[in-house]
Order: sequence, then C-alpha cells, then structure tokens
Amino acid sequence: GENVEQHPSTLSVQEGDSAVIKCTYSDSASNYFPWYKQELGKRPQLIIDIRSNVGEKKDQRIAVTLNKTAKHFSLHITETQPEDSAVYFCAAPHVSSTSYGKLTFGQGTILTVHP
Amino acid sequence: NAGVTQTPKFQVLKTGQSMTLQCAQDMNHEYMSWYRQDPGMGLRLIHYSVGAGITDQGEVPNGYNVSRSTTEDFPLRLLSAAPSQTSVYFCASKPRQGTYEQYFGPGTRLTVT
Repeated sequence: GENVEQHPSTLSVQEGDSAVIKCTYSDSASNYFPWYKQELGKRPQLIIDIRSNVGEKKDQRIAVTLNKTAKHFSLHITETQPEDSAVYFCAAPHVSSTSYGKLTFGQGTILTVHP
Repeated sequence: NAGVTQTPKFQVLKTGQSMTLQCAQDMNHEYMSWYRQDPGMGLRLIHYSVGAGITDQGEVPNGYNVSRSTTEDFPLRLLSAAPSQTSVYFCASKPRQGTYEQYFGPGTRLTVT
C-alpha cells in the first residue's frame, strides 16, 4: 500500500516569511497529491492539489511542486500571515481498480506564524 | 446542502461500553470513509465504503465495525470501547469516480476512561 512521510512535524516562522512542508510517497502509480489545512477544532479542508501531469501549481500565496522521479511533493506558502497557522496534511492515493481513490495521509505539520 | 454531518460532537465512554458514531451526507456520494486523528499520527483510515452494501477495512480497523445500508449513512460502531480508542473521528465522502477530493464532517471527539 501507499506510505506517506511528511516533514517537518512542527514549523515556526515570522509573519511575512515563507514556509515549506515536504512529503514523500512510495507508490510510483500515485497520480494525485492534495494538501489539506486544519484549523484548531475544525475539519480538514482541501487548499490545493496537483496531478502527476504537472510539476507545479500556484494559487495566490500557496503553491505545490511535484517531483515524480524522486517521489516527493512540497507545499510552499509565501508571505505568511497569522491566519496561516494551522495543521497541514499531505496525502497520496492508492491507485487500483478497487480502491476508488482511497487516500493515505502524512503525519501532519503544525505551522505557527508569529506576528 | 448540509454536506457531511456527524453526531455526536463529543462523547465520553467507560471502558467496555459500546456506541455508534453517526455520519450522513446529502451529496449522493458513493464513497464514504472513517478516519481517526491522533497527535503526531495524522489521519488514519479505519473503514471505507464504495457504495451501499460494500465496505472494506482501512489501516486501523480493529475494534470498529461498519455497515452501509443506504448511500447517505455510514455509521461506525465501537463494540467494546478501550482507552486506546480515545481520539477525534472524522467521516469523509466523495464521488466514487472523477475526483479524489474528500469532504470531511466536523468530527466527533471521543474519550474512553
């Protein structure tokens, strides 16, 4: 099955700095890589995703990059703001005829942005 | 649409008690799943279902049962609660095909003493 490793487990930055979170995956057939943001006491919500046919995707201050050869992908947040403080999860799917996109999640990164 | 709903929001059980966590969605999604969230361990899949009458185990299924009699509902049963099952439980759903994006419910915080 898929194995997803996420680093770092905690990340502390000053407001305005950039933050980078990295994930590696094991299944070379995986073709979809989402990032979820979970604010304190809330449910995880999708913030950005990338498919394996592109190397980078941007949405305002967030971007995701994918290196299929090395089997890793990263979340980049620029010009961080206090409201970016949350837990971030990466995930990768099990790709098979019967899994229907079952996701394996990374361990999570607690991002703290200090004003 | 209410999306994915879960009840209760909080629950305290004593060791050995049983209970059912409820999950419902009104988006006609075929795929539904249950995760537990523990500090430092991310979201781990307990059970999932790809349609009414079809369920399968995830990576941490022991101690939990599920059934799927309708498209809308996917209850999670704890037959004999243990302190190791203290966690936050999330239900999620998505269309069976065409997208990988999962929609999460608000979660149930369960404490077993």
